[in-house]
Amino acid sequence: DADVTQTPRNRITKTGKRIMLECSQTKGHDRMYWYRQDPGLGLRLIYYSFDVKDINKGEISDGYSVSRQAQAKFSLSLESAIPNQTALYFCATSDTGQGNYEQYFGPGTRLTVT
Amino acid sequence: KQEVTQIPAALSVPEGENLVLNCSFTDSAIYNLQWFRQDPGKGLTSLLLIQSSQREQTSGRLNASLDKSSGRSTLYIAASQPGDSATYLCAVRPADTGGFKTIFGAGTRLFVKA
Repeated sequence: DADVTQTPRNRITKTGKRIMLECSQTKGHDRMYWYRQDPGLGLRLIYYSFDVKDINKGEISDGYSVSRQAQAKFSLSLESAIPNQTALYFCATSDTGQGNYEQYFGPGTRLTVT
Repeated sequence: KQEVTQIPAALSVPEGENLVLNCSFTDSAIYNLQWFRQDPGKGLTSLLLIQSSQREQTSGRLNASLDKSSGRSTLYIAASQPGDSATYLCAVRPADTGGFKTIFGAGTRLFVKA
């Protein structure tokens, strides 16, 4: 079984809809991240969480919100989806105790907003 | 502001050829640098992580080097195979953010022809 899972894997939604992307991990890591990937731009950080009570904005957090329901679960919400949020979304984890901040990624969610 | 550039954006080589992928970054104050592989429809797989105090790391046919002073890293792939076809991403962690923040390059798409 994969260590970092994301659901759904693909989603098509309409402008203005609220949607949630979910991420779960079995690695026991304390840190979790949400990124989006756009063609030619690489991955950009949306939000990150160091533990259940610690949530921080990344470089492109506008239009997004997150919830860390448990150490193993970190969800990303688009309150009112817009077409320029069409992208590939990745969840990642890392372990403070590991010391090198190496990140482990989920398989991604392809989101299309029409 | 740290920026990461990967050139070329795409590369096509015949099977068996040795090749080098390039990554450059603008600020030498980094915690570490990580190379990832991304396959279509899948997440990012970590290939090699080089700490700022290291010059290179090796794993099988892969060798990654780091020259902080010049802001460069290379990923060397020996005896390329069609299964190496993927997008390769370089990511650096700026030292002034405690190492958690990751700046990604846009990637090099590699195609190895059989």
